Amino acid sequence: SQQGEEDPQALSIQEGENATMNCSYKTSINNLQWYRQNSGRGLVHLILIRSNEREKHSGRLRVTLDTSKKSSSLLITASRAADTASYFCATDLTGNQFYFGTGTSLTVIP
Amino acid sequence: NAGVTQTPKFQVLKTGQSMTLQCAQDMNHEYMSWYRQDPGMGLRLIHYSVGAGITDQGEVPNGYNVSRSTTEDFPLRLLSAAPSQTSVYFCASSYHNSPLHFGNGTRLTVT
Repeated sequence: SQQGEEDPQALSIQEGENATMNCSYKTSINNLQWYRQNSGRGLVHLILIRSNEREKHSGRLRVTLDTSKKSSSLLITASRAADTASYFCATDLTGNQFYFGTGTSLTVIP
Repeated sequence: NAGVTQTPKFQVLKTGQSMTLQCAQDMNHEYMSWYRQDPGMGLRLIHYSVGAGITDQGEVPNGYNVSRSTTEDFPLRLLSAAPSQTSVYFCASSYHNSPLHFGNGTRLTVT
């Protein structure tokens, strides 16, 4: 399977703290994307990082990509209760094939 | 602009029954795909399409058929439902090299 693996599987933090989750994958990629899923809903795109990029920011989100280690990390700074959700990385192999990891369940305690 | 629309939202089938899950998008995306989501398994790619008339298999294609006669529609057919197909199904679409847009999912139970 091309599927990535997120680590940790579950994360519980206090509001205001930073949350870091990691993604490892198996093969060369075109780009890597992070998605959020609130309970019972579809996935929402957060950020896309291309294979020739090393770091990307969007608001309170920071994503890094290390293609030599086949890994990525998502940092959410100053977390809020509303950030409680599951977070998934997805590797895009060709621009048209997306494979998802197993997800990290984040709980932010008010 | 409706985005990606999936119907039905919920469905209960008996083993051996067939049904079609509908997916439509109004963004003129060339790429469409179907995923299933099971607890602890993340999303697994079933089938995908890079344009009308073109489909290909993903990670878990067995038991499912697809077709893509138009850019807008990408139905997923279960020919003979099995309890192992109990899952939440998501349809997604995108432009090439761009983020996926997801529908709200279909929760399928096979008894």
